[in-house]
Amino acid sequence: EPEVTQTPSHQVTQMGQEVILRCVPISNHLYFYWYRQILGQKVEFLVSFYNNEISEKSEIFDDQFSVERPDGSNFTLKIRSTKLEDSAMYFCASSEAEENTEAFFGQGTRLTVV
Amino acid sequence: GNSVTQMEGPVTLSEEAFLTINCTYTATGYPSLFWYVQYPGEGLQLLLKATKADDKGSNKGFEATYRKETTSFHLEKGSVQVSDSAVYFCALSANTGGFKTIFGAGTRLFVKA
Repeated sequence: EPEVTQTPSHQVTQMGQEVILRCVPISNHLYFYWYRQILGQKVEFLVSFYNNEISEKSEIFDDQFSVERPDGSNFTLKIRSTKLEDSAMYFCASSEAEENTEAFFGQGTRLTVV
Repeated sequence: GNSVTQMEGPVTLSEEAFLTINCTYTATGYPSLFWYVQYPGEGLQLLLKATKADDKGSNKGFEATYRKETTSFHLEKGSVQVSDSAVYFCALSANTGGFKTIFGAGTRLFVKA
């Protein structure tokens, strides 16, 4: 069964450092997403990406965040200068961009900023 | 904007008890509705879905019916097991929201043997 894969599963970084979280969406999907879940809290939408550009972003997704699809398979989330409050689980998801279809989620990357 | 409200947890049940987790939604257009489950230390798994009014989604003994008149999608299971202990998220997606998934706050379920 096709799946969304994320790497790494856990990343520890120092405050102020840049991190790149990587995702390989399902190959025939057209919409890609990043979500964040601070420990014990709800899953929050960060950004959606379609046709090689951001289609929507939340207020959380400020200038320190960026996304990129550098090639035909990878989808990355970059955080330029990490803050302690960026510590969270980050989920990548992809969907077929049609009505009535669900998003498929990766297993997540746990980011710890120290 | 679109939103999902679900009952707060935690919910603690004994094995074989009946489970209900309430979920209501607000959306423009015609959303699809989902329940996702997150087991300890794991990612989000789709548990079931319903795409139009009166549809019933079901999987692993869990059921939820899309009720447009009450804008609800309550999750039920007739007899829970210890292995059902997890966090359950009600969610929706709609073309009016760019297909992004909007989650409720999650309900933690503990099942005791």
